[in-house]
Amino acid sequence: QKEVEQNSGPLSVPEGAIASLNCTYSDRGSQSFFWYRQYSGKSPELIMFIYSNGDKEDGRFTAQLNKASQYVSLLIRDSQPSDSATYLCADRTGNQFYFGTGTSLTVIP
Amino acid sequence: SAVISQKPSRDICQRGTSLTIQCQVDSQVTMMFWYRQQPGQSLTLIATANQGSEATYESGFVIDKFPISRPNLTFSTLTVSNMSPEDSSIYLCSVGRGEYEQYFGPGTRLTVT
Repeated sequence: QKEVEQNSGPLSVPEGAIASLNCTYSDRGSQSFFWYRQYSGKSPELIMFIYSNGDKEDGRFTAQLNKASQYVSLLIRDSQPSDSATYLCADRTGNQFYFGTGTSLTVIP
Repeated sequence: SAVISQKPSRDICQRGTSLTIQCQVDSQVTMMFWYRQQPGQSLTLIATANQGSEATYESGFVIDKFPISRPNLTFSTLTVSNMSPEDSSIYLCSVGRGEYEQYFGPGTRLTVT
């Protein structure tokens, strides 16, 4: 069974700071990775995906992938209170997604 | 993106009964999935709903307990059979679009008493 591990947190950062969320995965053959944001009581929404080693930036979000270390991260720059949510990392194999347990982020005004 | 609706949005059911959850997508999609998210937990894939053939179930989930239908490319149902309190959870439908995108429906919050 594939494993995707995340630090459950909670992670607290002050407004304007950089939030760093981390994820490790067990399957060395995994090719693509996804970050979802889930507000309390809501369904997950896709933030971004990454499939190549290195960094991928989208606005205030940067995903980082290191396949040698089997490590994925998400950086949120200039964190806002509206970023407070649970962030889920997912590993895609074929058409199936395997999710980590999520990291709870709180941005303190 | 995709617009996904689920019915019902929530329900309270008695032990031993069954509930069928419907998932409707606003356009044709190849891939549809059913997930469960138990309180405070992450998402667990129950099965892939295949159009025109039997669903593909993940380890720990069986067709007798979670029968799935997929009559066309925009609709699927998940039935939770012979429910027990352990089945209390949020059930989410999701669809795959393109190579890298997966979208989730609003979920069905099920409480079994």
